[in-house]
Amino acid sequence: EVQLLESGGGLVQPGGSLRLSCAASGFTFSSFAMSWVRQAPGKGLEWVSAMGGSGRTTYYADSVKGRFTISRDNSKNTLYLQMNSLRAEDTAVYYCAKFRGKLWSDYYFDYWGPGTLVTVSS
Amino acid sequence: NFMLTQPHSVSESPGKTVTISCTGSSGSIASNYVQWYQQRPGSAPTTVVYEDNQRPSGVPDRFSGSIDTSSNSASLTISGLKTEDEADYYCQSYDSSNLWVFGGGTKLTVL
Repeated sequence: EVQLLESGGGLVQPGGSLRLSCAASGFTFSSFAMSWVRQAPGKGLEWVSAMGGSGRTTYYADSVKGRFTISRDNSKNTLYLQMNSLRAEDTAVYYCAKFRGKLWSDYYFDYWGPGTLVTVSS
Repeated sequence: NFMLTQPHSVSESPGKTVTISCTGSSGSIASNYVQWYQQRPGSAPTTVVYEDNQRPSGVPDRFSGSIDTSSNSASLTISGLKTEDEADYYCQSYDSSNLWVFGGGTKLTVL
C-alpha cells in the first residue's frame, strides 16, 4: 500500500525558512517522480514543485522559483521541500504527491499524503 | 497563462446525474490528458479519473470522464449520485509553460 506522510509544517515569520519532509513507503521510491502541491485556506490546489526519480530533473512554479528547493534522498525514501524567504501568501496546506505516467507531459498525481500546514505570520 | 475554468458550484439530488465542466483557455484540451480529483472536506485529494477517461481501481463506474474538442472542454459525469459524492472536484492538465495546472475547483452539493 502506497503511503506518503508529510512533516515539518508550522508557524514561521515572514522572511523565515522551513523544511518539509515527505516519508514514502509501499513503492519503489527511486523509480517515480514526486511533487509538492499546496492549498491555501479555502482556496484551490496549486502545483509547487516536481522532481524526477533520480533527482536530476526539477521544476518549480513561478510563484516559488528562487525561494523553494525540492530535493530527495532515495536511500531514505524521503522527499523534501526547503522553503526560504517565506511570505504570507505561502500559507497553505502542503501535500506531497506521487506522480504516475510515461512522459512528464502525461504525469498526474496518483497518490497524495494527508498534508502539513504551513502558516506564515508575524 | 494557460487556465482551466470550472463552475464554482453545482448541485443535484441523490440518484440523479451531474456533469462538471472544465474549459481550457488556449490551445486544444485534447493535447494533454485531463485528470479529475475528488477532495472531501478535511481530506487530501484522490484521483477519480485519469488520462481523460480512465478510472483508478476502486473508483465506481458511476464516475466517467470525457473530452469535447468542439467546446475545448473536459467533463466529469457522476451518475446515480450518492450523498458521499458531495465534495470539491478539481480538473488538472499539463501546459508546456505552466506545467501542472489545476482548475479552480467545483463544489458538488448532493441535496
